[in-house]
Parts: sequence; C-alpha cells; structure tokens
Amino acid sequence: DVKVTQSSRYLVKRTGEKVFLECVQDMDHENMFWYRQDPGLGLRLIYFSYDVKMKEKGDIPEGYSVSREKKERFSLILESASTNQTSMYLCASSGSNSPLHFGNGTRLTVT
Amino acid sequence: QKEVEQNSGPLSVPEGAIASLNCTYSDRGSQSFFWYRQYSGKSPELIMSIYSNGDKEDGRFTAQLNKASQYVSLLIRDSQPSDSATYLCAVRVGGYQKVTFGTGTKLQVIP
Repeated sequence: DVKVTQSSRYLVKRTGEKVFLECVQDMDHENMFWYRQDPGLGLRLIYFSYDVKMKEKGDIPEGYSVSREKKERFSLILESASTNQTSMYLCASSGSNSPLHFGNGTRLTVT
Repeated sequence: QKEVEQNSGPLSVPEGAIASLNCTYSDRGSQSFFWYRQYSGKSPELIMSIYSNGDKEDGRFTAQLNKASQYVSLLIRDSQPSDSATYLCAVRVGGYQKVTFGTGTKLQVIP
C-alpha cells in the first residue's frame, strides 16, 4: 500500500511566522502535490512537482513556495503566514498518469 | 467556466437505491479521470479511475465516461448509509501531471 505521511496533523502558528509542512511518500512516485481544502471551495492545487528539484505552480501559488530535494519528500513553505492561509493542507503523490494517493492532512490555524 | 464541475448537493437517496453522481470537465485533452470518496474530517480515498470511453464496474460502483460530451459519472448501486460522504471528481489532462478536482457532491443515504 502507498503510504503518504504528513508530519503534523494539527498546527497552530502566528501571523508572520515561517511555516514548513512536510510530506514523505514511500512508493518512489515521480509526482507530488500540495492542495488546500476549504469549505465550499473544494481541493485547490497550490504546487506540484514531477521530479526532484522540478516544480510547477498550481492554481493558487501566491504566498507559498515548495522544495523537493529528494524524490520522497515534498515540502510546502509559507514564507510569512497569514490568517487567510488557515486551512486543511493535503499532500498527495502519484506515479505517471496514475491516481493520487493522499496523506492524512494537516489542519493549519494561523492566529 | 470551471475546469471540473460537480453539483454540490446534497444528493439524498434512500437505502438500497442507485445514487448517480455527475461531473463535467472543460479540457478536451483530459485523459485520466478519478472518483474519490471523502468522509468528514478525513482525506480523500480513491474509488475508481477510468481512462477510456464506456463503463467500468467495480463491485457496487460503476464509472461512466463520455469524452464527446465531456462528462464522467459514478453510479453507486444498493446504496448504504456508510456511502454517505462527499464524492470528488478529478481530471488529469493528457501529457501533463496536474490533477484538478471538482468541489464535490455530498451524498446522503437515508436508512
């Protein structure tokens, strides 16, 4: 079974803090994704990566950056957290043209 | 026009009935289609993937794809209360690894 592990289930940060969300997958997948999910808005893609050190912007990249130094790890960075970044963050991985497998999610609250 | 559209529901069906969930997409280059189920507070889990026109059956679930009309549907036969969840449609454009989700349809199965 594919396992996608997100480092934190719940996180509370203050406005202006730099926040790191970590995601690790164990299936040697080429692709990794970061989504946020908000009520009524569904899953919105922030960034994705199709190879080590390669990244592409999704639909809502503003205020976020990512890092993929190793194939199994994909990090989402909030350079200066703001209250409108309070959300559920979901990491996923997939093989080429294959379905996504999700981690358990990180509920981030920015106060 | 949204890339992937779903009726938000809720769709209410009695136990034992057939639930029909629909999804339309805008990009004619879309080649991979996925249905996910998401329980409240949990991350999405894959139900089915479909890649070619026609029907694909897996137990009580049938996915239907019509590329000419740009829609994909999910039928759930003999609906059970445990099927009550939000169902997410996801689409990947061919040759590109980005996956876009609809906002989901909430299904309620009434005992």
